[in-house]
Amino acid sequence: KQEVTQIPAALSVPEGENLVLNCSFTDSAIYNLQWFRQDPGKGLTSLLLIQSSQREQTSGRLNASLDKSSGRSTLYIAASQPGDSATYLCAVRRNNDMRFGAGTRLTVKP
Amino acid sequence: NAGVMQNPRHLVRRRGQEARLRCSPMKGHSHVYWYRQLPEEGLKFMVYLQKENIIDESGMPKERFSAEFPKEGPSILRIQQVVRGDSAAYFCASSPRLGESNAKLFFGSGTQLSVL
Repeated sequence: KQEVTQIPAALSVPEGENLVLNCSFTDSAIYNLQWFRQDPGKGLTSLLLIQSSQREQTSGRLNASLDKSSGRSTLYIAASQPGDSATYLCAVRRNNDMRFGAGTRLTVKP
Repeated sequence: NAGVMQNPRHLVRRRGQEARLRCSPMKGHSHVYWYRQLPEEGLKFMVYLQKENIIDESGMPKERFSAEFPKEGPSILRIQQVVRGDSAAYFCASSPRLGESNAKLFFGSGTQLSVL
Protein backbone atom coordinates (compact mmCIF):
# COMPACT_ATOMS: atom_id res chain seq x y z
CA LYS A 1 0.00 0.00 0.00
CA GLN A 2 1.33 3.38 -1.00
CA GLU A 3 2.16 5.70 1.90
CA VAL A 4 3.03 9.33 1.26
CA THR A 5 4.80 11.38 3.91
CA GLN A 6 5.55 15.08 3.92
CA ILE A 7 8.13 16.74 6.11
CA PRO A 8 7.96 19.18 7.76
CA ALA A 9 4.31 19.43 8.73
CA ALA A 10 4.66 23.17 9.14
CA LEU A 11 7.26 25.72 8.16
CA SER A 12 7.61 29.43 8.85
CA VAL A 13 10.19 31.53 7.02
CA PRO A 14 10.89 35.22 6.49
CA GLU A 15 10.12 36.71 3.12
CA GLY A 16 12.86 36.26 0.54
CA GLU A 17 14.17 32.95 1.79
CA ASN A 18 14.61 29.93 -0.44
CA LEU A 19 13.00 26.80 0.96
CA VAL A 20 12.56 23.10 0.30
CA LEU A 21 9.55 20.94 1.02
CA ASN A 22 9.98 17.19 1.15
CA CYS A 23 7.78 14.33 0.06
CA SER A 24 8.52 10.62 0.33
CA PHE A 25 6.56 7.61 -0.89
CA THR A 26 6.91 3.91 -0.27
CA ASP A 27 6.03 2.37 -3.64
CA SER A 28 8.17 3.56 -6.54
CA ALA A 29 5.83 2.15 -9.20
CA ILE A 30 4.08 5.41 -9.96
CA TYR A 31 2.73 7.13 -13.05
CA ASN A 32 3.50 10.62 -11.88
CA LEU A 33 3.86 12.88 -8.89
CA GLN A 34 1.99 16.12 -8.57
CA TRP A 35 2.47 19.07 -6.24
CA PHE A 36 -0.59 21.07 -5.24
CA ARG A 37 -1.24 24.21 -3.33
CA GLN A 38 -4.26 24.54 -1.05
CA ASP A 39 -5.39 27.81 0.45
CA PRO A 40 -7.59 27.76 3.57
CA GLY A 41 -11.14 26.75 2.73
CA LYS A 42 -10.31 26.34 -0.93
CA GLY A 43 -9.69 23.55 -3.37
CA LEU A 44 -6.39 22.37 -4.73
CA THR A 45 -4.40 24.16 -7.38
CA SER A 46 -1.96 22.08 -9.39
CA LEU A 47 1.55 23.51 -9.35
CA LEU A 48 3.76 20.98 -11.06
CA LEU A 49 3.42 17.47 -12.40
CA ILE A 50 6.44 15.22 -12.88
CA GLN A 51 6.03 12.12 -14.98
CA SER A 52 7.69 8.94 -13.75
CA SER A 53 10.32 9.20 -16.50
CA GLN A 54 11.26 12.77 -15.58
CA ARG A 55 13.66 14.08 -12.95
CA GLU A 56 12.35 17.59 -12.47
CA GLN A 57 9.92 20.27 -13.57
CA THR A 58 10.15 24.03 -13.24
CA SER A 59 7.55 26.77 -13.22
CA GLY A 60 8.63 30.28 -12.33
CA ARG A 61 10.06 30.27 -8.81
CA LEU A 62 9.09 26.64 -8.29
CA ASN A 63 11.19 23.60 -9.03
CA ALA A 64 10.12 20.05 -8.28
CA SER A 65 12.43 17.06 -8.43
CA LEU A 66 11.69 13.37 -8.45
CA ASP A 67 13.93 10.48 -7.44
CA LYS A 68 11.72 7.51 -8.05
CA SER A 69 14.22 4.88 -6.95
CA SER A 70 14.55 6.39 -3.50
CA GLY A 71 10.90 7.37 -3.29
CA ARG A 72 11.49 11.08 -2.84
CA SER A 73 10.44 14.39 -4.27
CA THR A 74 11.28 17.93 -3.29
CA LEU A 75 9.58 21.21 -4.04
CA TYR A 76 11.96 24.13 -4.08
CA ILE A 77 10.55 27.63 -3.75
CA ALA A 78 12.91 30.47 -4.53
CA ALA A 79 12.66 33.96 -3.07
CA SER A 80 9.56 33.19 -1.05
CA GLN A 81 6.77 35.76 -0.79
CA PRO A 82 3.91 36.20 1.70
CA GLY A 83 1.55 35.16 -1.10
CA ASP A 84 3.21 31.75 -1.08
CA SER A 85 1.66 31.06 2.32
CA ALA A 86 -0.55 28.00 1.91
CA THR A 87 -0.54 24.24 2.46
CA TYR A 88 1.48 22.31 -0.09
CA LEU A 89 0.43 18.77 -0.89
CA CYS A 90 2.25 16.15 -2.87
CA ALA A 91 0.41 13.27 -4.46
CA VAL A 92 1.58 10.18 -6.30
CA ARG A 93 -0.50 8.54 -8.94
CA ARG A 94 -0.73 4.94 -9.88
CA ASN A 95 -3.66 3.31 -11.58
CA ASN A 96 -6.97 4.77 -10.53
CA ASP A 97 -6.16 7.07 -7.71
CA MET A 98 -3.74 9.53 -6.29
CA ARG A 99 -2.34 9.13 -2.79
CA PHE A 100 -1.78 12.34 -0.92
CA GLY A 101 0.54 13.36 1.82
CA ALA A 102 -0.84 15.29 4.77
CA GLY A 103 0.78 18.47 3.51
CA THR A 104 3.24 21.10 4.67
CA ARG A 105 1.70 24.30 5.99
CA LEU A 106 3.94 27.15 4.86
CA THR A 107 3.89 30.64 6.34
CA VAL A 108 6.01 33.34 4.76
CA LYS A 109 6.35 36.36 7.04
CA PRO A 110 6.66 39.85 5.53
CA ASN B 1 -13.84 26.53 -19.97
CA ALA B 2 -15.28 26.24 -16.51
CA GLY B 3 -13.35 24.24 -13.97
CA VAL B 4 -14.63 21.45 -11.80
CA MET B 5 -17.83 22.67 -10.17
CA GLN B 6 -18.98 21.41 -6.83
CA ASN B 7 -22.12 22.32 -4.97
CA PRO B 8 -23.10 23.17 -2.46
CA ARG B 9 -20.00 24.81 -0.99
CA HIS B 10 -21.31 24.30 2.51
CA LEU B 11 -23.82 21.73 3.67
CA VAL B 12 -25.22 21.40 7.15
CA ARG B 13 -27.07 18.28 8.17
CA ARG B 14 -28.36 16.86 11.40
CA ARG B 15 -27.44 13.36 12.45
CA GLY B 16 -29.51 10.79 10.58
CA GLN B 17 -30.22 12.98 7.57
CA GLU B 18 -28.96 12.39 4.06
CA ALA B 19 -26.26 14.45 2.35
CA ARG B 20 -25.98 14.74 -1.42
CA LEU B 21 -22.88 16.32 -2.87
CA ARG B 22 -22.66 17.22 -6.55
CA CYS B 23 -19.74 17.48 -8.90
CA SER B 24 -19.67 18.58 -12.51
CA PRO B 25 -16.32 17.71 -14.12
CA MET B 26 -14.48 19.94 -16.50
CA LYS B 27 -15.81 19.92 -20.03
CA GLY B 28 -14.46 16.96 -21.92
CA HIS B 29 -13.49 15.05 -18.78
CA SER B 30 -15.09 11.66 -18.33
CA HIS B 31 -13.27 10.56 -15.17
CA VAL B 32 -14.33 11.71 -11.73
CA TYR B 33 -12.68 11.11 -8.37
CA TRP B 34 -13.98 11.83 -4.90
CA TYR B 35 -11.71 12.58 -1.95
CA ARG B 36 -12.37 13.36 1.68
CA GLN B 37 -10.24 15.65 3.80
CA LEU B 38 -10.44 15.66 7.56
CA PRO B 39 -8.98 18.58 9.53
CA GLU B 40 -5.18 18.52 9.63
CA GLU B 41 -5.09 15.45 7.42
CA GLY B 42 -4.35 14.79 3.79
CA LEU B 43 -6.89 13.89 1.18
CA LYS B 44 -8.13 10.33 1.26
CA PHE B 45 -9.24 8.63 -1.92
CA MET B 46 -12.82 7.44 -1.86
CA VAL B 47 -14.01 6.46 -5.31
CA TYR B 48 -13.22 6.71 -8.99
CA LEU B 49 -15.96 6.75 -11.60
CA GLN B 50 -16.39 6.99 -15.31
CA LYS B 51 -19.71 7.71 -16.95
CA GLU B 52 -22.20 5.13 -15.68
CA ASN B 53 -19.46 3.00 -14.12
CA ILE B 54 -17.81 2.73 -10.74
CA ILE B 55 -14.22 1.77 -11.49
CA ASP B 56 -12.67 1.75 -8.03
CA GLU B 57 -14.49 2.24 -4.75
CA SER B 58 -11.80 0.84 -2.51
CA GLY B 59 -11.75 4.00 -0.40
CA MET B 60 -15.47 4.17 0.23
CA PRO B 61 -16.88 3.14 3.60
CA LYS B 62 -18.85 -0.06 3.18
CA GLU B 63 -22.08 1.38 4.55
CA ARG B 64 -24.07 4.58 4.07
CA PHE B 65 -21.86 5.94 1.27
CA SER B 66 -22.59 5.63 -2.43
CA ALA B 67 -21.54 7.41 -5.59
CA GLU B 68 -22.79 7.64 -9.12
CA PHE B 69 -21.87 9.36 -12.35
CA PRO B 70 -24.84 9.11 -14.70
CA LYS B 71 -24.73 9.49 -18.44
CA GLU B 72 -26.29 12.92 -18.09
CA GLY B 73 -25.73 15.27 -15.21
CA PRO B 74 -23.24 15.61 -12.40
CA SER B 75 -21.60 12.98 -10.28
CA ILE B 76 -23.30 12.54 -6.92
CA LEU B 77 -21.75 11.45 -3.65
CA ARG B 78 -24.52 10.36 -1.31
CA ILE B 79 -24.16 9.84 2.42
CA GLN B 80 -27.13 8.31 4.20
CA GLN B 81 -27.85 8.67 7.90
CA VAL B 82 -24.97 11.03 8.46
CA VAL B 83 -23.00 10.95 11.71
CA ARG B 84 -20.73 13.59 13.22
CA GLY B 85 -17.66 11.72 11.99
CA ASP B 86 -18.76 12.40 8.41
CA SER B 87 -18.02 16.09 8.91
CA ALA B 88 -15.23 16.88 6.48
CA ALA B 89 -14.38 18.60 3.24
CA TYR B 90 -15.28 16.50 0.23
CA PHE B 91 -13.38 17.22 -2.95
CA CYS B 92 -14.11 16.14 -6.46
CA ALA B 93 -11.50 15.95 -9.19
CA SER B 94 -11.70 15.17 -12.87
CA SER B 95 -9.26 14.12 -15.56
CA PRO B 96 -9.58 13.54 -19.27
CA ARG B 97 -8.10 10.06 -19.45
CA LEU B 98 -6.98 7.23 -17.29
CA GLY B 99 -3.54 5.79 -17.26
CA GLU B 100 -1.66 8.47 -19.12
CA SER B 101 1.36 9.49 -17.14
CA ASN B 102 0.82 13.16 -17.86
CA ALA B 103 -2.88 13.22 -17.00
CA LYS B 104 -3.43 15.87 -14.39
CA LEU B 105 -6.24 15.91 -11.93
CA PHE B 106 -8.20 19.12 -11.65
CA PHE B 107 -9.95 19.76 -8.37
CA GLY B 108 -13.13 21.53 -7.43
CA SER B 109 -13.37 23.91 -4.48
CA GLY B 110 -14.93 21.25 -2.32
CA THR B 111 -18.06 20.84 -0.22
CA GLN B 112 -17.70 21.37 3.50
CA LEU B 113 -20.12 19.04 5.25
CA SER B 114 -20.99 19.80 8.84
CA VAL B 115 -23.07 17.33 10.80
CA LEU B 116 -24.76 18.74 13.90
